[in-house]
Amino acid sequence: GQQLNQSPQSMFIQEGEDVSMNCTSSSIFNTWLWYKQDPGEGPVLLIALYKAGELTSNGRLTAQFGITRKDSFLNISASIPSDVGIYFCAGQTTDSWGKLQFGAGTQVVVTP
Amino acid sequence: ETGVTQSPTHLIKTRGQQVTLRCSSQSGHNTVSWYQQALGQGPQFIFQYYREEENGRGNFPPRFSGLQFPNYSSELNVNALELDDSALYLCASSPGGEGAVEKLFFGSGTQLSVL
Repeated sequence: GQQLNQSPQSMFIQEGEDVSMNCTSSSIFNTWLWYKQDPGEGPVLLIALYKAGELTSNGRLTAQFGITRKDSFLNISASIPSDVGIYFCAGQTTDSWGKLQFGAGTQVVVTP
Repeated sequence: ETGVTQSPTHLIKTRGQQVTLRCSSQSGHNTVSWYQQALGQGPQFIFQYYREEENGRGNFPPRFSGLQFPNYSSELNVNALELDDSALYLCASSPGGEGAVEKLFFGSGTQLSVL
């Protein structure tokens, strides 16, 4: 089953609002990744994080690798309608190279 | 440059049957991973193939097996299908051997329904 706890499960926000979601793990990860999945498609990588404390941006998206290496956060600023979708966190541990563990996802709905 | 392509896109099988899903990796990628995504869940790692050998396996029974071919394309085979095998099966390719998870590119998946 899932080893990552991702929250919230869903978010209903108005266009222009900021969105925040997070993931926590019982294991220490050496890599954190954030993906977006649209209906009928596979996940698409948004941001990759490699070091504890790292803060990385990709346009309106900002993600952070937690200091404990057991959590990560994703923020979306000034949301727009195309931000609708399911966002997944994923992590890789040092003893499972190439194998990703995914959270259960955060469903984001943006209303005009 | 073509992306990761999977076939078929949808498949309906009955319990006890066998199924083969196919994946063509992105050009230049020699590593293929398979994931199972149940409805409302995140993808779960099934296994990874590198240079035609299984290179890591998740918590799936032996009736889930795979192959990688010299052109790096791959197949996922599931025997004795169970109702709980109904899911979206995602293939992902990457250019490296171990690691390089940030370079994983996912296909659109095969939606398998087991009745």
